[in-house]
Amino acid sequence: AQKVTQAQTEISVVEKEDVTLDCVYETRDTTYYLFWYKQPPSGELVFLIRRNSFDEQNEISGRYSWNFQKSTSSFNFTITASQVVDSAVYFCALKGNFNKFYFGSGTKLNVKP
Amino acid sequence: GAGVSQSPRYKVAKRGQDVALRCDPISGHVSLFWYQQALGQGPEFLTYFQNEAQLDKSGLPSDRFFAERPEGSVSTLKIQRTQQEDSAVYLCASSLFTSSVGTEAFFGQGTRLTVV
Repeated sequence: AQKVTQAQTEISVVEKEDVTLDCVYETRDTTYYLFWYKQPPSGELVFLIRRNSFDEQNEISGRYSWNFQKSTSSFNFTITASQVVDSAVYFCALKGNFNKFYFGSGTKLNVKP
Repeated sequence: GAGVSQSPRYKVAKRGQDVALRCDPISGHVSLFWYQQALGQGPEFLTYFQNEAQLDKSGLPSDRFFAERPEGSVSTLKIQRTQQEDSAVYLCASSLFTSSVGTEAFFGQGTRLTVV
C-alpha cells in the first residue's frame, strides 16, 4: 500500500521566518520517487522537486531545501526566509511501481507580511 | 498553449445531469492522468492513459464515470447522472514519458464541478 501523510494541516508564519513542511510516506516498493508540488490559489499544481529512493542527498534550490531520510520515511521541505508569495498549499506525493501519484492531504502555508 | 489546458474552469450541474470535462495536454505528452480533488484534500487518482490506451481506471469511483482519449491527445472525462458527492475539482495532468515512474507530471488548473 502507498500512503503519504502530511500531519500539518495549516501553518502561519511571518515573512522572513524559516518554515519546514513535514512529509512521511509508506511504501513496500524498493524503487520509488517522492515529489513536492505547490498549489497556489489559481489551482494548478506546480512541480517543485523529485527525489528517487536511492538518492538520499539533501538538495537546495535557492530558498528551498529538501531533507530525504529513508530511515524515517520522511521527505521534509524547508523554506528559508519565507515570502508572501510562498503562500500556497504544498503537497508531498509518492510514485511507486505503478505510474500514478499518491498525494498527501496538503499543508496550507500562510506567510504574513 | 504551453501548459495543460482544461475546460470549462467552472461547471454547475443539477443533480442527475450529465457533464463532460475536457483536457488538452501538453503537445507530445504520451501519458495523461485524471485526478479528483475534494475540498481541503489532496488529489486522488482516477485514471491513466498512455496514448489512446486507458491502462488504469482503478480510481474511477463508479460506472457513472467514463474517460476517453480517442486520438491520443485530447481527453474527456464524462460523469453521468451527477450526484452531490461528485462535487470536486477535477485535475488533468500529462507527462512526456511512459514507463518511467520518476517523470514529473504537469497539471492543469482544473475544472471545479459543483452539483446542486
